[in-house]
Amino acid sequence: RKEVEQDPGPFNVPEGATVAFNCTYSNSASQSFFWYRQDCRKEPKLLMSVYSSGNEDGRFTAQLNRASQYISLLIRDSKLSDSATYLCVVNPNTNAGKSTFGDGTTLTVKP
Amino acid sequence: EAQVTQNPRYLITVTGKKLTVTCSQNMNHEYMSWYRQDPGLGLRQIYYSMNVEVTDKGDVPEGYKVSRKEKRNFPLILESPSPNQTSLYFCASSSQGFLNQPQHFGDGTRLSIL
Repeated sequence: RKEVEQDPGPFNVPEGATVAFNCTYSNSASQSFFWYRQDCRKEPKLLMSVYSSGNEDGRFTAQLNRASQYISLLIRDSKLSDSATYLCVVNPNTNAGKSTFGDGTTLTVKP
Repeated sequence: EAQVTQNPRYLITVTGKKLTVTCSQNMNHEYMSWYRQDPGLGLRQIYYSMNVEVTDKGDVPEGYKVSRKEKRNFPLILESPSPNQTSLYFCASSSQGFLNQPQHFGDGTRLSIL
């Protein structure tokens, strides 16, 4: 089983839709979590960190469920510009240099 | 401008010819890392460095070497490249370790080994 798993999609949604992605992780001791966005084989860019209490940034909401070992990303009112691949990142609490990325979920927002 | 700079951006070379991909950051970050990304896959960590002269293996270190003689530079060395190392490579840095701080990525290096 992979350490970090994401549904690869693709998710094809119309503009204005709400879409959610999940990312499951296997190491229960994992401590920090992030969502990154990657456009067409360009460099990944931080979208948001994921905090234990959940956090929101505009149309984006990230949540952590430690009991079930997954993080989620909710995008409301999807825009064409949201089309990208979304990567989750899980870092173990024992090694500040180690970082595990999921394979990514591809989102296409259509007019 | 704060950035991570990789060179070259593109390279086509042949099996067995040693090559080095450079990575430099101007943010005084302690932590740096190299990743490779293959079609349909996320980023897989090759090596990382937590400070000068401190490096460690990631998930896929075979066939690669790194060094961290200066804080700003973290070159990736392929001593004897093979076709299975054809990939998109990213260098990243972080101020206090990946545990709690986001990573800043370079633009990537597309490497083709014939």
